[in-house]
Amino acid sequence: QQQVKQSPQSLIVQKGGISIINCAYENTAFDYFPWYQQFPGKGPALLIAIRPDVSEKKEGRFTISFNKSAKQFSLHIMDSQPGDSATYFCAASFDSGYALNFGKGTSLLVTP
Amino acid sequence: EAGVAQSPRYKIIEKRQSVAFWCNPISGHATLYWYQQILGQGPKLLIQFQNNGVVDDSQLPKDRFSAERLKGVDSTLKIQPAKLEDSAVYLCASSSQRTGGAFFGQGTRLTVV
Repeated sequence: QQQVKQSPQSLIVQKGGISIINCAYENTAFDYFPWYQQFPGKGPALLIAIRPDVSEKKEGRFTISFNKSAKQFSLHIMDSQPGDSATYFCAASFDSGYALNFGKGTSLLVTP
Repeated sequence: EAGVAQSPRYKIIEKRQSVAFWCNPISGHATLYWYQQILGQGPKLLIQFQNNGVVDDSQLPKDRFSAERLKGVDSTLKIQPAKLEDSAVYLCASSSQRTGGAFFGQGTRLTVV
């Protein structure tokens, strides 16, 4: 049973554009929502995370928007760069020390 | 600060053989996880340790997979006997209450032929 659903599966964005990846979760007990970036041959790297008591968190070009009532959250990458081309995973857990439930991933390609 | 170390990076074995993976977490991280990542999918938890105790192994196929974390630091994950469907990347991650979030190693890519 997929507890976190992620879309789109793949995304192509032009350099300088905005990349948007969406996730939805089922379990209202989830309390920690991170995003991970994974390059080929590497392990996932923590990008940014949010808790449900805030609706938005921004770190540099990366922003998480969180809608608790809709049980949805999204990652926005502003001014997308070719170096951002990677697979992005959303995840959810009961707290930061608990195991993560991952989405299936979004393959992002930023074209020059 | 050194990251999570895993070895080997790659392993090719025949079905029904056994294989073991090793993980050294970030120093001071009490929580250690093993995830399985099948090509094109997100990582799936196999087992979680808190120090040297098991917190969650509900998704570990215990008839063929085993894991241990002696002394609460390094951990090994073993598969015996391997099946074709075990072909995947095995990721080790660690976390602490201070840092929050889980930090992953580069993984071991297992191919079962």
